[in-house]
Amino acid sequence: ELKVEQNPLFLSMQEGKNYTIYCNYSTTSDRLYWYRQDPGKSLESLFVLLSNGAVKQEGRLMASLDTKARLSTLHITAAVHDLSATYFCAVDGEKLTFGTGTRLTIIP
Amino acid sequence: DTGVSQNPRHKITKRGQNVTFRCDPISEHNRLYWYRQTLGQGPEFLTYFQNEAQLEKSRLLSDRFSAERPKGSFSTLEIQRTEQGDSAMYLCASSSTTGTGRVYEQYFGPGTRLTVT
Repeated sequence: ELKVEQNPLFLSMQEGKNYTIYCNYSTTSDRLYWYRQDPGKSLESLFVLLSNGAVKQEGRLMASLDTKARLSTLHITAAVHDLSATYFCAVDGEKLTFGTGTRLTIIP
Repeated sequence: DTGVSQNPRHKITKRGQNVTFRCDPISEHNRLYWYRQTLGQGPEFLTYFQNEAQLEKSRLLSDRFSAERPKGSFSTLEIQRTEQGDSAMYLCASSSTTGTGRVYEQYFGPGTRLTVT
């Protein structure tokens, strides 16, 4: 059974700081997704990573995928308050298996 | 708006009642997925369809749950004899597949929040 683990589960950051969220998964997969979820809302797609070594960047967020290590990272650069949300990674088989989520709070 | 839509957005029901949710996928997508998300957790897969065929059901989908996609377009998810533990956000997603079976990205709807009192 595929397991997806994220850490940390909770992250409180000061504005302007950098941090990384980690996503580990237990079986081989060549596709990984990152989603953002605001409270009470649905999932917003951030990144689709399709191959080993894939790196994608959008604004202050950058995601990478290492399929050999079964690890993806979501790096936040110079955090701003608008990035406060819960971030999920999800691994793709015939259906998505989601991580536990990382609740990110940016403190002024 | 050509995204995934779900109705109703919110549903409050008493324990023991039946409820039905509807999902309208992106029109050209042949795959449709249902997920359930409880508070503080990630979404969990329930079931998915390719066209009108239901291809997989999770162990989470008890006998009280049934899903249909009769014409390969919209889908319904029915919960019979609701229990308080059914309270959750029910998310629908859709995607398309290539001729070789490669699956593209899933796009999520706004969800239906169910509260069972």
